[in-house]
Amino acid sequence: GQSLEQPSEVTAVEGAIVQINCTYQTSGFYGLSWYQQHDGGAPTFLSYNALDGLEETGRFSSFLSRSDSYGYLLLQELQMKDSASYFCAVTGGSARQLTFGSGTQLTVLP
Amino acid sequence: GAGVSQSPSNKVTEKGKDVELRCDPISGHTALYWYRQSLGQGLEFLIYFQGNSAPDKSGLPSDRFSAERTGGSVSTLTIQRTQQEDSAVYLCASSLVAGGVDEQYFGPGTRLTVT
Repeated sequence: GQSLEQPSEVTAVEGAIVQINCTYQTSGFYGLSWYQQHDGGAPTFLSYNALDGLEETGRFSSFLSRSDSYGYLLLQELQMKDSASYFCAVTGGSARQLTFGSGTQLTVLP
Repeated sequence: GAGVSQSPSNKVTEKGKDVELRCDPISGHTALYWYRQSLGQGLEFLIYFQGNSAPDKSGLPSDRFSAERTGGSVSTLTIQRTQQEDSAVYLCASSLVAGGVDEQYFGPGTRLTVT
């Protein structure tokens, strides 16, 4: 099966940089995704890494190390609107099923 | 264009009753997923459909849960003899292909409360 670990909470101030780590265990790994979910809202896709290295999309970057079964989401120039839950999700297993972590609640303080 | 839609947005039901939750995926998306999210928790995979293939039901928590997808489009998740522990937000997502290589687009969810 698949399992993921990520911190439950992170707090940072506006304008700062924050990194949310994710470690995973899976069979048949295909890729690591990140989703954002605001309170009461639906998850929205942020990024996907299939290969080792850093993917940058605006203020958000995502990193993957397959040998370490590890990835992170880096958020720069934090804004109040970035306060949300962030989920890592791994695609793996024989059915290429997407399995989500339990989420990291990011609070951005003024 | 239109995103994933779900209905109803909220459902309150009595323990022991059956409920049906509906999902309309994005047109052209061949893969459809159902997840369950309890308060403050992550997303729990329930079932996914890919085209005309047999669905992957490996996440369904009990035989009270079933789902179907008609015509490769609309899907219905049915929970029979609901229990209080079934209370959660049920999310549907669709993607162009299965397997997470393409991003999943989520609907707004159905909040189910079993009293």
